[in-house]
Amino acid sequence: ETGVTQTPRHLVMGMTNKKSLKCEQHLGHNAMYWYKQSAKKPLELMFVYSLEERVENNSVPSRFSPECPNSSHLFLHLHTLQPEDSALYLCASSQDGLSQPQHFGDGTRLSIL
Amino acid sequence: QKEVEQNSGPLSVPEGAIASLNCTYSDRGSQSFFWYRQYSGKSPELIMFIYSNGDKEDGRFTAQLNKASQYVSLLIRDSQPSDSATYLCAVYNAGNNRKLIWGLGTSLGVNP
Repeated sequence: ETGVTQTPRHLVMGMTNKKSLKCEQHLGHNAMYWYKQSAKKPLELMFVYSLEERVENNSVPSRFSPECPNSSHLFLHLHTLQPEDSALYLCASSQDGLSQPQHFGDGTRLSIL
Repeated sequence: QKEVEQNSGPLSVPEGAIASLNCTYSDRGSQSFFWYRQYSGKSPELIMFIYSNGDKEDGRFTAQLNKASQYVSLLIRDSQPSDSATYLCAVYNAGNNRKLIWGLGTSLGVNP
């Protein structure tokens, strides 16, 4: 596989469920990101990881918990989400940081019931 | 004032024409500028990036950066129906508070 792969593509969950989103990049990049994309809003950068270390957390509620076990894999653990969390969640990677072009996965469309 | 501003459109151009997309930014210290294309239901894909004042060309696409006036433009020559998408501008500032700010995007429609 090439590029950035995200699973699952679609996820429907109740507010009390626990689920995880997975991202894997095959580009040899050192930085990975989680974004939230909602209608009528700009892309919201949620978390930034550089060499497996979280370097940025943009005031994201604790019901979102990221994990980066190595430079190729990134997870977003979800717990007791709210209806307003329904959105497209995008994973991206870049060579070394935010100053460089990013490659995006296809995203996970999340719906909270 | 929004940090990164784009005209939401929709911008409509005939096939074969030049499409001009504009993006203005508020932070004068911004250093890296990106244009991404996003088709409906898909994820963003990189079209161009530019770091220095002036023009950068890649095929039918030209990015123009004017730091004095704080805008970056994307020109699409010989527009094709397949260029119909939303174009996102992103601006990076490596100052004390490193930030990558995204615009809302401009919707472009190319009519056959």
